[in-house]
Amino acid sequence: GAVVSQHPSWVICKSGTSVKIECRSLDFQATTMFWYRQFPKQSLMLMATSNEGSKATYEQGVEKDKFLINHASLTLSTLTVTSAHPEDSSFYICSARGPGLAGGDTQYFGPGTRLTVL
Amino acid sequence: AQSVTQLGSHVSVSEGALVLLRCNYSSSVPPYLFWYVQYPNQGLQLLLKYTSAATLVKGINGFEAEFKKSETSFHLTKPSAHMSDAAEYFCAVSDNFGNEKLTFGTGTRLTIIP
Repeated sequence: GAVVSQHPSWVICKSGTSVKIECRSLDFQATTMFWYRQFPKQSLMLMATSNEGSKATYEQGVEKDKFLINHASLTLSTLTVTSAHPEDSSFYICSARGPGLAGGDTQYFGPGTRLTVL
Repeated sequence: AQSVTQLGSHVSVSEGALVLLRCNYSSSVPPYLFWYVQYPNQGLQLLLKYTSAATLVKGINGFEAEFKKSETSFHLTKPSAHMSDAAEYFCAVSDNFGNEKLTFGTGTRLTIIP
């Protein structure tokens, strides 16, 4: 249980185009999802917190107009990278807050989406 | 503010040897601590988490970690390394039980020597 999927797993796009990444909780409902960005050989940096039915909360330094987040249902959040540029190339990982194994909530991570902007 | 420091970006151990990955945290409130494992080109998998109950936490794949408040540490250990343990390991801290955002360490890449 507690599986999170991401689609696509990888995408290559031209500079200036927009790319949408989907994050789905497959067997549980997630009112809260998180979007992270990971550069090669580095740690995960939280970009934003996505709450179902409300606006996302962005971390300091993350451009909300560039990284559009929509959490339209309890099982789906999307991240759209608008007008992508080569510096946006990265590994994007989502997580969903779901039932913990020993009580309480736990974040379950998706497999990630590798974005390459040419 | 919270932070996590992982000592050693790379650790190599022989197959069958003890695995020790170090994590020290800084938190102004009682922390909740996590260890995650990441295999190449994959997301993160939760190994174990500290829930403020037992200080010795057992996780999946034979890993365990001990919360030591006096040392502000949460080191990850496994008695006998297996080739399949080769991966990137991340320590993380939050100030609530998964409700708040996770702050990750920089990661430790574990290599297993046959």
